[in-house]
Amino acid sequence: QKEVEQNSGPLSVPEGAIASLNCTYSDRVSQSFFWYRQYSGKSPELIMSIYSNGDKEDGRFTAQLNKASQYVSLLIRDSQPSDSATYLCAVNVYGGSQGNLIFGKGTKLSVKP
Amino acid sequence: SAVISQKPSRDICQRGTSLTIQCQVDSQVTMMFWYRQQPGQSLTLIATANQGSEATYESGFVIDKFPISRPNLTFSTLTVSNMSPEDSSIYLCSVAPQGDTIYFGEGSWLTVV
Repeated sequence: QKEVEQNSGPLSVPEGAIASLNCTYSDRVSQSFFWYRQYSGKSPELIMSIYSNGDKEDGRFTAQLNKASQYVSLLIRDSQPSDSATYLCAVNVYGGSQGNLIFGKGTKLSVKP
Repeated sequence: SAVISQKPSRDICQRGTSLTIQCQVDSQVTMMFWYRQQPGQSLTLIATANQGSEATYESGFVIDKFPISRPNLTFSTLTVSNMSPEDSSIYLCSVAPQGDTIYFGEGSWLTVV
């Protein structure tokens, strides 16, 4: 059973701090990794994708991938109350159809003013 | 990305009835995907819908329960048949216009009573 594991939280950080969200996956041959943000009552929206080991930065967001450890993380710098949401980690199913992603249950982030 | 519209956005349904969810995309896409998000759970792929062929269902999902249509490259429908309270979920239409990065529609929130 291919799985994606996330700490459900809630993770609470003060405004302006760095929020660190972590994710592990079981399928060693996975190639594509994604972070989605889901506000309460809304559908998930893509934040970042990452395919290679190392860091990928986009504004206040940095995704980190370590395939050897089967670990992917998302750092949010200068956290804002508007970042309060559930963050979903997703991993592709190697050999599966395009668009077949396995999602974690998400980590709920709360940024306190 | 793509603009994906779903109807209905929310509905309350009686058990034993069926409901059809519509998904419209603003550009032509080869594949459309239907996901389900049960309360407190991660997103799970129901099926992949290709135009001109039968949908491909994931393990645990069957055509009799979730019939799908894909009449053209911008539209798809998902029917949830003979609903029970366990079918209360968010149903999400999604597309992957480039590679395996998927984008979600607004979702359809279904409550079965």
